[in-house]
Amino acid sequence: QSVLTQPPSASGTPGQRVTMSCSGSYPNIGKNTVDWYQQLPGTAPKFFIDSANRRPSGVPDRFSGSKSGTSASLAISGLQSEDEADYFCAAWDDSLNGWVFGGGTKLTVL
Amino acid sequence: QVQLQESGPGRVKPSETLSLSCNVSGGSVISGSDYWSWIRQPPGKGLEWIGYIYNSGRTNYNPSLKTRVTISGDTSKNQFSLRVTSVTAADTAIYYCARARYSSSPFDHWGQGTLVTVSS
Repeated sequence: QSVLTQPPSASGTPGQRVTMSCSGSYPNIGKNTVDWYQQLPGTAPKFFIDSANRRPSGVPDRFSGSKSGTSASLAISGLQSEDEADYFCAAWDDSLNGWVFGGGTKLTVL
Repeated sequence: QVQLQESGPGRVKPSETLSLSCNVSGGSVISGSDYWSWIRQPPGKGLEWIGYIYNSGRTNYNPSLKTRVTISGDTSKNQFSLRVTSVTAADTAIYYCARARYSSSPFDHWGQGTLVTVSS
């Protein structure tokens, strides 16, 4: 049972805009930045973007992150086949003094 | 460029102790601000933060695992290690070591992960 709640799946067709959600509580999402990780099959997760829309170099600006209250969202515009992956959200939790994760959303490009 | 590499047995028997090491290059486990963490992922499931070591030896653990987990550092080898006691099948997972630049920051560097199976 993950602390942060994500829908298990999402899908879209090439070129479409897709959003996925991440829900938490005040000590984690309510007080801290939400980070999104992309995980391709058989590989380690990779930090992709945060809820302040900061992204490492190389991550396309088709990806955007946002947060409102105790929920966060990851949006992908102009969906491409290479975006098919698992996406996990995470946040620092002030009550744990550690990180909490979501269960992940599997994105399928139809 | 920071690089992390996990090592350890791929199979552990139930009730025994799981021990893994993470070798760090391009960074230092005694760095005052870096948080060196262990994270695990049961096959086909989500990620779970296990705990971290920082500031030359201070640690914190996920309450769900706290009674069975120890994370320690070896500055001479620039490594940090994980021990999980009294393992069960529920501890079967891919174990990752990872670094965050400071508390509340993202994990910007990860090891490739190592699968540990708990089985007799």
